[in-house]
Amino acid sequence: GESVGLHLPTLSVQEGDNSIINCAYSNSASDYFIWYKQESGKGPQFIIDIRSNMDKRQGQRVTVLLNKTVKHLSLQIAATQPGDSAVYFCAESPNSGYSTLTFGKGTMLLVSP
Amino acid sequence: ETGVTQTPRHLVMGMTNKKSLKCEQHLGHNAMYWYKQSAKKPLELMFVYSLEERVENNSVPSRFSPECPNSSHLFLHLHTLQPEDSALYLCASSHQGGNTGELFFGEGSRLTVL
Repeated sequence: GESVGLHLPTLSVQEGDNSIINCAYSNSASDYFIWYKQESGKGPQFIIDIRSNMDKRQGQRVTVLLNKTVKHLSLQIAATQPGDSAVYFCAESPNSGYSTLTFGKGTMLLVSP
Repeated sequence: ETGVTQTPRHLVMGMTNKKSLKCEQHLGHNAMYWYKQSAKKPLELMFVYSLEERVENNSVPSRFSPECPNSSHLFLHLHTLQPEDSALYLCASSHQGGNTGELFFGEGSRLTVL
């Protein structure tokens, strides 16, 4: 069946390093991709999204890269800070009238001071 | 006032109890969702309401019963649950017809079934 998955369950980095979190998806019909951050005890929060007609999108300290050829999505966080420590989820959705996002399992990012 | 508010934040119930989870959104959205988040598993979509009509029910057991009385409120009624139903239940809302499919999540209701 269709699935969205993450390569690494835990990523440990030092403060100031750049972080890269990867995600593979299998639904070639996916049109919309989104990254969420979930801190302990909180609900997921939107970070950045990208549509399938783009291969890169930048936000504040974050960049999402989309490689449709190999069905791969990545989230790059520049100058990682301790406050970035959280679980990061990628999600994908076909182009539908309402959001039926399919989520990956999540990657825990641990940032050491 | 936060965008999506869920109550209660924590709930402990026995298998024979009946309880309800409540969600309220203050964002003017027209779609609301229930997700289940279990340890080591991806977020699982349970129900979707669009314009107060249930448009998706992902094979959820009948012991979970959703209710959407208006576009701002969503309930999840629980009865005769099983211990494996213990999880974090997340409510979300979105604006259908907008430019993005972004979901806005509440902080969740942590359910423990004894």
